Amino acid sequence: QVQLQESGPGLVKPSDTLSLTCGVSGDSIRSYNWWGWIRQPPGKGLEWIGYIYDSGTTYYNPALKSRVTMSVATSKNQFSLKLSSVTAVDTAVYYCARTRWLRSPFDYWGQGTLVTVSS
Amino acid sequence: QSVLTQPPSTSGTPGQRVTISCSGSSSNIGTNAVNWYQQLPGTAPKLLIYNNNQRPSGVPDRFSGSKSGTSASLAISGLQSEDEADYYCAAWDDSLNGHVVFGGGTKLTVL
Repeated sequence: QVQLQESGPGLVKPSDTLSLTCGVSGDSIRSYNWWGWIRQPPGKGLEWIGYIYDSGTTYYNPALKSRVTMSVATSKNQFSLKLSSVTAVDTAVYYCARTRWLRSPFDYWGQGTLVTVSS
Repeated sequence: QSVLTQPPSTSGTPGQRVTISCSGSSSNIGTNAVNWYQQLPGTAPKLLIYNNNQRPSGVPDRFSGSKSGTSASLAISGLQSEDEADYYCAAWDDSLNGHVVFGGGTKLTVL
């Protein structure tokens, strides 16, 4: 059974960089899948942040592209998200998820982690 | 403002059939498959329908999806109290080098 688990600070200061990691078990990061991040502000809908492939190829949300960096750590079977220059509007539950190939749905999700941007 | 448009809310009584619409454009629903997710309160989204009308293993056949042109629909028949959740449509959008777009979500209340 594929499982994903987000980890990282729950509180980030405005203008700082948000950093999260997603640990994968039950599947290999190098298994030809794409790995993604989605976020959900409190009481609001889902917003796609981006995808990464194990080769490092990425697709980012055009609205966030200038602030997003994703990376893969194959030796640790995990992938990461960095979002720079955060403000209060970046407060959200951040989910990591797997998709089998580009354009396909997210079939496995992490439980999500709440990140609050506040001083 | 979400790229895909869904009604904010809908409701039904147990046993009824309800539908949730999702409207897009030629760059997303018009040329790509639609997926639907169910989000129960306090939990992560779960894939409910993929490739317009396919159900993952374990999803009851009470749930069905369809697509026509630049719109899609999710139908839930034999409504049950445990179906009370938020439902999101999603699709790949070919514009701006390609990206995923979600609908704003529909809150389903079982009366």
